[in-house]
Amino acid sequence: GEDVEQSLFLSVREGDSSVINCTYTDSSSTYLYWYKQEPGAGLQLLTYIFSNMDMKQDQRLTVLLNKKDKHLSLRIADTQTGDSAIYFCAEIRSNDYKLSFGAGTTVTVRA
Amino acid sequence: EAGVTQFPSHSVIEKGQTVTLRCDPISGHDNLYWYRRVMGKEIKFLLHFVKESKQDESGMPNNRFLAERTGGTYSTLKVQPAELEDSGVYFCASSQFPLAGGTNTQYFGPGTRLTVL
Repeated sequence: GEDVEQSLFLSVREGDSSVINCTYTDSSSTYLYWYKQEPGAGLQLLTYIFSNMDMKQDQRLTVLLNKKDKHLSLRIADTQTGDSAIYFCAEIRSNDYKLSFGAGTTVTVRA
Repeated sequence: EAGVTQFPSHSVIEKGQTVTLRCDPISGHDNLYWYRRVMGKEIKFLLHFVKESKQDESGMPNNRFLAERTGGTYSTLKVQPAELEDSGVYFCASSQFPLAGGTNTQYFGPGTRLTVL
């Protein structure tokens, strides 16, 4: 199987919370990232978490990490239409510089 | 500050033709990376330059792909001859230092969408 897995689609109503999930396989992952890609744009780094942390909050974004289960999630509070995008989960392993990405979750925000 | 730029944004070519993609990193960034996303799947690493030297090209699919970074500034990725399975989005990224930790960010360009018919 792939190293990083994500569900492909998520539809959420404007104003609700979105939760995007990701699982990874390598226990040596040191940093885990969430990138956002809006249409026609590049990959924008949203946030990251170090593997010895279990939670990180940044304004409307909350990242939860369950290292035992190798599960990462991104919660977006008060989802807005501008949050419609593809969200990629990525990891980097110890002493490495290559990002390993998931396939991306397409989030659609409906009015 | 200008971000990472890539040219062209789209390219449509026929099987067997040659295509050259270009990436201009952020000024001053010694590290340049190429990634590829095929058929809506995961984004995969292709190679990494430190200045003009190839640090790691373990992700290059085969010898039809040639990457260069003359003078340590912009980089080109040539596909010759192109095959149908080469279709996808090619991303370039740059960073000031090699990515060894969370705070050192790889900045990505908008990508080049390549379609091989």
